[in-house]
Amino acid sequence: DTEVTQTPKHLVMGMTNKKSLKCEQHMGHRAMYWYKQKAKKPPELMFVYSYEKLSINESVPSRFSPECPNSSLLNLHLHALQPEDSALYLCASSRLPGGLRTDTQYFGPGTRLTVL
Amino acid sequence: QQPVQSPQAVILREGEDAVINCSSSKALYSVHWYRQKHGEAPVFLMILLKGGEQKGHEKISASFNEKKQQSSLYLTASQLSYSGTYFCGTESKTSYDKVIFGPGTSLSVIP
Repeated sequence: DTEVTQTPKHLVMGMTNKKSLKCEQHMGHRAMYWYKQKAKKPPELMFVYSYEKLSINESVPSRFSPECPNSSLLNLHLHALQPEDSALYLCASSRLPGGLRTDTQYFGPGTRLTVL
Repeated sequence: QQPVQSPQAVILREGEDAVINCSSSKALYSVHWYRQKHGEAPVFLMILLKGGEQKGHEKISASFNEKKQQSSLYLTASQLSYSGTYFCGTESKTSYDKVIFGPGTSLSVIP
């Protein structure tokens, strides 16, 4: 099973709403990533979790709050977003932290977020 | 720093070959290649780790010149299924666990 799942597939929210994105993998991977991708642009790294601890935060605004409750699950909590935050949010995982030097990262299908 | 990719876009007829280039101003540890089709997640193609390394995957292969900090992706005898946007992702020697993606090359294969 080489699958990363993400829910929901689509999300529409207002600027005052609070919502969460969920990512799950059952491959035993210990590194998990959040990326943001705007149309016709490459994925941009937001956060990296290594062994369930936040290891990289790419200066992401605090209205995005990641959480890794266990080794299989990664959440992204959203609050007071702006319309420019509308994008495809991709989750990925890899076998081990530092594993990108020898192994791939597996991407989930993404959540398409629209902020009104 | 984001790697540079060229060309920005290419249109091929089925059976033609293409080369996509990726270069970085930073010393690189690895180069990753992905293909993304419209509305889908990026799909991993290959990683190149060592200077001069070459790898192949079906009719898609790649090379990595560590000294020049450049990688090239070679698509031979292209098929319609090769259409998509190709991204190179680079991991620098000073940046652990962080792959920075290039701007992408849009490849369209037509009958």
